[in-house]
Amino acid sequence: DIVLTQSPDSLPVSLGERATINCKSSQSVLYSGDNKNYLAWYQQKPGQPPKLLISGASSRESGVPDRFSASGSETDFTLTIASLQAEDVAVYFCQQYVAPPRTFGQGTRVEIK
Amino acid sequence: QVQLLESGPGLVKPSETLSLTCSVTGGSLNHYFWSWIRQTPGGGLQWIGYIYSNARTVYNPSLRGRVTISADLSKSQFSLSLKSVTAADTAVYFCARDMDSGSHSAFSVWGQGTMVTVSS
Repeated sequence: DIVLTQSPDSLPVSLGERATINCKSSQSVLYSGDNKNYLAWYQQKPGQPPKLLISGASSRESGVPDRFSASGSETDFTLTIASLQAEDVAVYFCQQYVAPPRTFGQGTRVEIK
Repeated sequence: QVQLLESGPGLVKPSETLSLTCSVTGGSLNHYFWSWIRQTPGGGLQWIGYIYSNARTVYNPSLRGRVTISADLSKSQFSLSLKSVTAADTAVYFCARDMDSGSHSAFSVWGQGTMVTVSS
């Protein structure tokens, strides 16, 4: 199985400040067939299902604020919230879909400092 | 817009079979990957498996042959069966659909989830 390890587990950030979450994969998630990284980022708020923010490692979904950005390739990925807003308090997960079983990182809880 | 809704018993006895159904509205089951995913009380997410267009299925090997996913295209539903459950199977169960038709992609559509507790 591909293991995804996120850091940190918890991230206190002041409103308006930058939040950066890392996701490291035990194997490359770059698919040779199309040279794309099969990695996604989700946001989950209490009592809700995860919401897809980013797919293909860096492609923001429609409607996702542009303060969210992501980058990385093969085994190392980053999700950045450029200026934290109160509504961004949530748990964030990375997930790979390059090979079954699809796996998730353990999650990073973003909170207001 | 595609919407998913999970249904099934909220309480299952140990050693029995957990059965859930995901009803799909606003779209067809054809040509997409449809998954079951669960979230433990600790917050971790585990992919259980998927079915593609009522045909191919792939399961998480960690579930050791206990899982079956099936689909009924005529009812726009797909189902999860998990045998011989234990307390470790207590979780919120989500159904979800891949973003892209015909290819592996991220989970773009999710149900709200249903809590299943395994207890006597």
